[in-house]
Amino acid sequence: DGGITQSPKYLFRKEGQNVTLSCEQNLNHDAMYWYRQDPGQGLRLIYYSQIVNDFQKGDIAEGYSVSREKKESFPLTVTSAQKNPTAFYLCASSFGRGYEQYFGPGTRLTVT
Amino acid sequence: KQEVTQIPAALSVPEGENLVLNCSFTDSAIYNLQWFRQDPGKGLTSLLLIQSSQREQTSGRLNASLDKSSGRSTLYIAASQPGDSATYLCAVDTGGFKTIFGAGTRLFVKA
Repeated sequence: DGGITQSPKYLFRKEGQNVTLSCEQNLNHDAMYWYRQDPGQGLRLIYYSQIVNDFQKGDIAEGYSVSREKKESFPLTVTSAQKNPTAFYLCASSFGRGYEQYFGPGTRLTVT
Repeated sequence: KQEVTQIPAALSVPEGENLVLNCSFTDSAIYNLQWFRQDPGKGLTSLLLIQSSQREQTSGRLNASLDKSSGRSTLYIAASQPGDSATYLCAVDTGGFKTIFGAGTRLFVKA
């Protein structure tokens, strides 16, 4: 079955700790994205990657970091510098610019 | 700066009704527009993608239209069913891999 997987589904962390969210796709897509969703708001782009070993900041990259060492994988690290990290995080992928985006099931991160 | 607005924020209709969801955007220079469905606590499911050169797309009971000059798109759902209850989001691709999302319309179809 082709698709995007995100793990874990729920994640709880204490303030001041870094945490890494996993995103894997087997759709052979070149582009991958990370979004953040807060209640009552649209999705906001954190980072995107057009191709392996390349990634660009989105609109709200501060306090986050990513890597793209493999085509299939695009992990997101939420650092202690992110002031309000509690949110629903969604990973997506596409064949490239202008193509349909496909989303994973999301990870709900709660930081206390 | 591109902004995407969806009105109403919530909508409740009886089963069987035909309905229209609205999406407006401020900058007509778009690459494409995509409609998604999101169930509570889940990821987004792509419904329809309209390229900037197209006027509409259809899939089953869904029809999406695009009018770039007026900065509007509509999603028409025919013969609504309780299973259609979800949040519907529109997203505008401005080119360069950046997509701007609306906040969504929460739809409830009553049996």
